[in-house]
Amino acid sequence: EAAVTQSPRSKVAVTGGKVTLSCHQTNNHDYMYWYRQDTGHGLRLIHYSYVADSTEKGDIPDGYKASRPSQENFSLILELASLSQTAVYFCASSADWGVGAETLYFGSGTRLTVL
Amino acid sequence: GDSVTQTEGLVTLTEGLPVMLNCTYQTIYSNPFLFWYVQHLNESPRLLLKSFTDNKRTEHQGFHATLHKSSSSFHLQKSSAQLSDSALYYCALTHTNTGKLTFGDGTVLTVKP
Repeated sequence: EAAVTQSPRSKVAVTGGKVTLSCHQTNNHDYMYWYRQDTGHGLRLIHYSYVADSTEKGDIPDGYKASRPSQENFSLILELASLSQTAVYFCASSADWGVGAETLYFGSGTRLTVL
Repeated sequence: GDSVTQTEGLVTLTEGLPVMLNCTYQTIYSNPFLFWYVQHLNESPRLLLKSFTDNKRTEHQGFHATLHKSSSSFHLQKSSAQLSDSALYYCALTHTNTGKLTFGDGTVLTVKP
């Protein structure tokens, strides 16, 4: 069974503060993703990566940075947290998309509240 | 860019009745891959089923869907709803080599006794 671990499970941050969300996978997958989930907006892609030391912008990258220091680890960084970034954040991993039908394996999510 | 539309935000059914959740998509690519993910309360999304073959029915755990490229649709169906089917269902789209999955807004299915 694929394993994606996120930390922390929940976090309360202050507006303007820095927040780092961490993700670790033991699947030996090339691809890793950060999605945010908001009621009524579904899952929206923030950043993704297909190789260590490289990240790509997703559909809503503004206000977020990502870091992929190794194949196993992928972090999401909010340099200046804002109220609008209150959401649930999911990390996911998948194998190579060469044939285009790979399964995403999600972590358990991080509930971020910005006050 | 790609987009996925799930017209129903909330579907409420009585146990035993059939389920149909709508999904249509838009993409400029001719070989789309379509997915249904399910997320139960306080859990993370997990794959329910997927397809990339036109007009071929795919089934898993009592649910089925058929990709129809002519109508850009991938509706999720089940013949008889169970209480345990209550969850949030996402339709999603990608195409070869993109490494990106585009999700719809999701449909909350509530099954009542």
